[in-house]
Amino acid sequence: DAGITQSPRHKVTETGTPVTLRCHQTENHRYMYWYRQDPGHGLRLIHYSYGVKDTDKGEVSDGYSVSRSKTEDFLLTLESATSSQTSVYFCAISERGEDTQYFGPGTRLTVL
Amino acid sequence: GNSVTQMEGPVTLSEEAFLTINCTYTATGYPSLFWYVQYPGEGLQLLLKATKADDKGSNKGFEATYRKETTSFHLEKGSVQVSDSAVYFCALRGSGYSTLTFGKGTMLLVSP
Repeated sequence: DAGITQSPRHKVTETGTPVTLRCHQTENHRYMYWYRQDPGHGLRLIHYSYGVKDTDKGEVSDGYSVSRSKTEDFLLTLESATSSQTSVYFCAISERGEDTQYFGPGTRLTVL
Repeated sequence: GNSVTQMEGPVTLSEEAFLTINCTYTATGYPSLFWYVQYPGEGLQLLLKATKADDKGSNKGFEATYRKETTSFHLEKGSVQVSDSAVYFCALRGSGYSTLTFGKGTMLLVSP
């Protein structure tokens, strides 16, 4: 199994508060991705990174920002959480853009 | 843009029944195609993939053939088990791209 951890695994927060989710990998893979999973929508890409300090937007990036200051960590920040951001968030990694993506265990976020 | 359409679930089968989950796609060029599986409470795992037309991906008794003429990548298994109960996601990666586009997922429920 690819060495991917996500923290926290569960979080409940209130509307308007900032939230940061962390993805940590031990594989030294170049690419890292953040997805959200919602019933009826499958997985949708939020942001991804193709190297340290190199990031790009995905399909549903509004309300989210990311940072990657070192290869192993990719942070997803909700600057001011809203109830519509209640979801399960998955991180994925791949060695190169054309390689298979491997997924972390997910973070369940509830915004009240 | 790229898109993936999967049959809606849940698909309910008895153990040892034949499984087909339909997946069709829209993409330009020559995408790579994937099936991922998500067991309850877990992240996604790659089940199989195919990178060019007429390729057959296979794993754990599951198979899918990349059909460019019908833009399809249907998942099949000859005899399902209770342990195959999960959500199955079809996905594509466009030619030259590093991001995945997922279908909405199909839940499979297998009863003894």
